Parts: sequence; C-alpha cells; structure tokens
Amino acid sequence: RKEVEQDPGPFNVPEGATVAFNCTYSNSASQSFFWYRQDCRKEPKLLMSVYSSGNEDGRFTAQLNRASQYISLLIRDSKLSDSATYLCAVSWGATSGTYKYIFGTGTRLKVLA
Amino acid sequence: NAGVTQTPKFQVLKTGQSMTLQCAQDMNHNSMYWYRQDPGMGLRLIYYSASEGTTDKGEVPNGYNVSRLNKREFSLRLESAAPSQTSVYFCASRSAGVGYTFGSGTRLTVV
Repeated sequence: RKEVEQDPGPFNVPEGATVAFNCTYSNSASQSFFWYRQDCRKEPKLLMSVYSSGNEDGRFTAQLNRASQYISLLIRDSKLSDSATYLCAVSWGATSGTYKYIFGTGTRLKVLA
Repeated sequence: NAGVTQTPKFQVLKTGQSMTLQCAQDMNHNSMYWYRQDPGMGLRLIYYSASEGTTDKGEVPNGYNVSRLNKREFSLRLESAAPSQTSVYFCASRSAGVGYTFGSGTRLTVV
C-alpha cells in the first residue's frame, strides 16, 4: 500500500458545482497535513494546511479524519480557474529524527463552462 | 519577490554529459530539497539538506550529487546524464511546520 494515495481523476465538474477530493495515508503517526495546487507545467503551490478541527479558506474547506486516516478538500462554487491538479502531503517523525514528508500523486480537476 | 529561484528552466543533454542545476532561496529557510516529478509517479525526493552543512539522500538519489553551498543555495549535479533522468526537477525550501515553497522547475531532457 502506498503511504499516501489519491484518486488521479480527472474530476470533471460544471462551474458552480461543489467537489470534494480525499487523500488517504497509511501511517497512523502522521502529524501534519497539507493541500497543494499545481497548474499544468507549473510548480506546486501550498493551498492550505489541514488542522485537526478542520479549516476553511474562502471556498475551500479542508478536513482531517484521523480514525479513517484521510484528509479531504472541498471546493464550493467551482470556478474555471480552479482547474488544476491538487496534491496532498503528509508528514511524520518531526521529533523522532526520521522525518518524512510524502506527496500524493495528485487529483486532477477540470471545471467545465 | 521572495521565493525560490531555479536555473536553468529548460535543458537538453546528451547521454553522458554532466550539468548542475542551481537553486537559491531568500526566505532564510534552513531546509532545502530537490525533487523530480514524472507522470504517474508524483514528486520523488532526490536529496535534501536539513540545514547548512548537511545533506542526505532521499528516495531516488542514484546518479545525482548535491552541494549545500550556503544557507541560500543548494545545487544538484548530474555527473553522467542518462535518458532515465529525463524529468521535471523542482527545488524547494521549507521552514519547520510550514509547507514547501517550490521553484518554477527545470525541464530536463536527456537524449
């Protein structure tokens, strides 16, 4: 089993729709969680960190489910400009000397006019 | 603008040639990283430097070497390029507890 897994998609949604992606992780000791956005032929850019209680940034909501070991990203009122690949990242071992930060392979989103 | 600067943006090498990818960050981050990204494989860590003066192997270090020249600069060297090293290379830096800031990438083709 991969340490971090994402559905590659693509998720094709109409403008204005709500879409959600999940990212599962295998290490129950994982400590920090992030979502990145990567546009075609560009570098990944940090979208948001994921906090235990969940957090929101405008139309974007990130949640963590430790019991089932996944994080989610919800995008409301999708815009054409939201079309991109969304990468999750999970880290652990910050205090143990065996720090790891693993990226998922990404979920591609296409918002259609 | 503050960030991570990578050079060159594009490069074509012949098999067996060598080259160095340059990376510099101006955010005073301690940790710097080199990743490669291939279709379907995601980002794979080549080497990293947790602080000035230290470097460590990542997931796919074979065929590469690195130098942490100072706190700002972290270079990646391919001593004898192979077609399997055709990829997009990203340099990144990070401050503890925060996500990565990536450079704009180097598209390398080895023929």
